[in-house]
Amino acid sequence: EAGVAQSPRYKIIEKRQSVAFWCNPISGHATLYWYQQILGQGPKLLIQFQNNGVVDDSQLPKDRFSAERLKGVDSTLKIQPAKLEDSAVYLCASSLGTPSDTQYFGPGTRLTVL
Amino acid sequence: GDSVTQMEGPVTLSEEAFLTINCTYTATGYPSLFWYVQYPGEGLQLLLKATKADDKGSNKGFEATYRKETTSFHLEKGSVQVSDSAVYFCALYTGGGNKLTFGTGTQLKVEL
Repeated sequence: EAGVAQSPRYKIIEKRQSVAFWCNPISGHATLYWYQQILGQGPKLLIQFQNNGVVDDSQLPKDRFSAERLKGVDSTLKIQPAKLEDSAVYLCASSLGTPSDTQYFGPGTRLTVL
Repeated sequence: GDSVTQMEGPVTLSEEAFLTINCTYTATGYPSLFWYVQYPGEGLQLLLKATKADDKGSNKGFEATYRKETTSFHLEKGSVQVSDSAVYFCALYTGGGNKLTFGTGTQLKVEL
């Protein structure tokens, strides 16, 4: 089966610019996750969707980050405006149901903010 | 809150050496415990898991036992290969938190 797809793989922007990341989860997976992984740290959950509804966005910096999951399938994560500390790898994952189910991760998007 | 502590890396071993990567946790309630692995250039993938005390997860020659008394879930392999070189993440899930909490990861390098 096809895995989780993400694009772009790499992005370099100036601070205060905006950027968007796209994720296509595994077909049939109800739950989609966006994680932020700063160099030397483990992934940190930003937002979790169940179908097209938000389950948990408690760690999403809502003043600059936004995410949506249209029609319960693809998802986009946007940062506007970006800060230097947003430099990280943004990981998308999906699972059949709850977070305790096996999560399948995409390859990630490496963002560098200059 | 929930947290996971892993031994710092990188861990460098010769092929066929014994591997232990330590993982301890703090959680409210009874978590499920996981090891995820990230090979170079790839996304994280589940390696093994255990859902209750004294359970042993195993996969690809790796094992980890859920030790409630020591709040630990150490990863072991009897004989590592060069292809095991990767970053290993310990993680936990509790129903109350309803999310995976990851450790910082431990890089393993296996040399010939």
